[in-house]
Amino acid sequence: NAGVTQTPKFRILKIGQSMTLQCAQDMNHNYMYWYRQDPGMGLKLIYYSVGAGITDKGEVPNGYNVSRSTTEDFPLRLELAAPSQTSVYFCASSYSIPGGGGYTFGSGTRLTVV
Amino acid sequence: KNEVEQSPQNLTAQEGEFITINCSYSVGISALHWLQQHPGGGIVSLFMLSSGKKKHGRLIATINIQEKHSSLHITASHPRDSAVYICAAAGTYKYIFGTGTRLKVLA
Repeated sequence: NAGVTQTPKFRILKIGQSMTLQCAQDMNHNYMYWYRQDPGMGLKLIYYSVGAGITDKGEVPNGYNVSRSTTEDFPLRLELAAPSQTSVYFCASSYSIPGGGGYTFGSGTRLTVV
Repeated sequence: KNEVEQSPQNLTAQEGEFITINCSYSVGISALHWLQQHPGGGIVSLFMLSSGKKKHGRLIATINIQEKHSSLHITASHPRDSAVYICAAAGTYKYIFGTGTRLKVLA
């Protein structure tokens, strides 16, 4: 199994550009999450989804949007990129609620906004 | 004050030493998760526990629910254990992450 696949691995954006970070999982997990990790900081939840068609905001949702049209895919959209969005982004998925097991991370996307 | 606190933030050890990383949390949880982040950035799950102790190879994780405290121990540490170790408190729909403990094991 591929697990959680994130693309791209690296990207440089100019201020004001937009992009979509892709995340796909092949484990039939219901729950999917987007996190950002800033240097010296813990992972911060951007958005999460508990199933297809259901998404909700996390701690730091401003400047981002998500959709969950299928169980497998959970893309993260950045509109009007800003330097503050320079970070490493991780997608994760799990079969059930946190603590229920099967929590799997993608390999991350390193985004730089200049 | 963060809801999940880890200590120490940085730790350097000699190969073979016994290592302890601590995690304290102030929120109600269903479980606590220990993660390892490799120097290349990938994150892997080490343990998920809601009570008692778990052991896998040279790694041991314990949790005291009443004291809201968990520890990760590494016995006979090795340079390949060098990584960032992260604890995460599992809430209803999300985790709250500690900032991580950066461990470097010297040969």
